[in-house]
Amino acid sequence: NAGVTQTPKFQVLKTGQSMTLQCAQDMNHEYMSWYRQDPGMGLRLIHYSVGAGITDQGEVPNGYNVSRSTTEDFPLRLLSAAPSQTSVYFCASSYLDGYTFGSGTRLTVV
Amino acid sequence: SQQGEEDPQALSIQEGENATMNCSYKTSINNLQWYRQNSGRGLVHLILIRSNEREKHSGRLRVTLDTSKKSSSLLITASRAADTASYFCATDAERDDKIIFGKGTRLHILP
Repeated sequence: NAGVTQTPKFQVLKTGQSMTLQCAQDMNHEYMSWYRQDPGMGLRLIHYSVGAGITDQGEVPNGYNVSRSTTEDFPLRLLSAAPSQTSVYFCASSYLDGYTFGSGTRLTVV
Repeated sequence: SQQGEEDPQALSIQEGENATMNCSYKTSINNLQWYRQNSGRGLVHLILIRSNEREKHSGRLRVTLDTSKKSSSLLITASRAADTASYFCATDAERDDKIIFGKGTRLHILP
């Protein structure tokens, strides 16, 4: 049982490039979320999904897109990377009793 | 703005002592959760308390919830070096499906 798998673990992008952070879970959880974590800021919600075909914005959605075509996958797309998007990104999934988190993607935008 | 806010921001105690962290939030909730994060790692779920519960235990952890004061506390008894980590509360608001985290408490257990 792999839980929540995030890829890649590390990524360096140039300003203006686009990329997709992958997130997959094998627990058949309906609820999935993306957070970013910056020093002293805790975790801030980017986008979330309550099930396949349904997504909604979180606290800091600008510059990011998501889709949820299957229960298992919830990719996060950076449309045009900016230095302000340098952060650690966490994907999480949940059933009823709390999140299971992925191990994170450390993204640097130069 | 963030829903939950932990207090204190940082806490250092001697091994064996009890550690107490607090979380305050702004709007009515369905439940409140506590998580631990070791340096450089992902978050680990510790305990969930529902809005109709007042206290919950799990091993050395004790969580209380006071919905009238919109606050929760996490007590770690008989602390160990391995408890050194950041602790976050997260709230599931009644009004929407968002789960919002606070900024966390950094706990350091001194040998």
